Amino acid sequence: EAQVTQNPRYLITVTGKKLTVTCSQNMNHEYMSWYRQDPGLGLRQIYYSMNVEVTDKGDVPEGYKVSRKEKRNFPLILESPSPNQTSLYFCASSLSINAGNTIYFGEGSWLTVV
Amino acid sequence: DAKTTQPPSMDCAEGRAANLPCNHSTISGNEYVYWYRQIHSQGPQYIIHGLKNNETNEMASLIITEDRKSSTLILPHATLRDTAVYYCIVRPRNTGNQFYFGTGTSLTVIP
Repeated sequence: EAQVTQNPRYLITVTGKKLTVTCSQNMNHEYMSWYRQDPGLGLRQIYYSMNVEVTDKGDVPEGYKVSRKEKRNFPLILESPSPNQTSLYFCASSLSINAGNTIYFGEGSWLTVV
Repeated sequence: DAKTTQPPSMDCAEGRAANLPCNHSTISGNEYVYWYRQIHSQGPQYIIHGLKNNETNEMASLIITEDRKSSTLILPHATLRDTAVYYCIVRPRNTGNQFYFGTGTSLTVIP
């Protein structure tokens, strides 16, 4: 089954404690992306990746890092989480960004930073 | 500097057609219009997309105006399970490879 898998789905952590949210897709997609969703602000893009070893900033990259060492994985790293990073996070993937390709989303990761 | 403009909310009677509008006046010629929906806080679900021609699938129809500056998503027979936030997305000109979600339209299907 084609899917985008995120882990963990729910996490409560403390300020400053490094954490990683993993994202994996099984569709051999080139394009992957991370979004955060906050009330009243819709979905905002954090980082995206066009292919292995190619990443770029989205609208709200501050406080986040990503890596794309393998095609299927695109982890989101919070080196020193702060309470303003409490949010619902979505990973997404697509065959490519340059055509009318469907974007597939994961089920989301609820992150609370206290 | 909105990329798409949608009404914040709409109601629709169960069984009737739901018509959700979207303005995207800065869309360029090779950019697609996508529609997604999000039920509660689940992952956004793909509905349909199009470039110039009207499109139809098992979920919905997409009507794109001839000048491509606006589109309408049509759910032909809305059910209670169609209650969700609907997002119209385009890939804007001169902004690389990002996809922008607006704040969407919250559709409530009323029994």
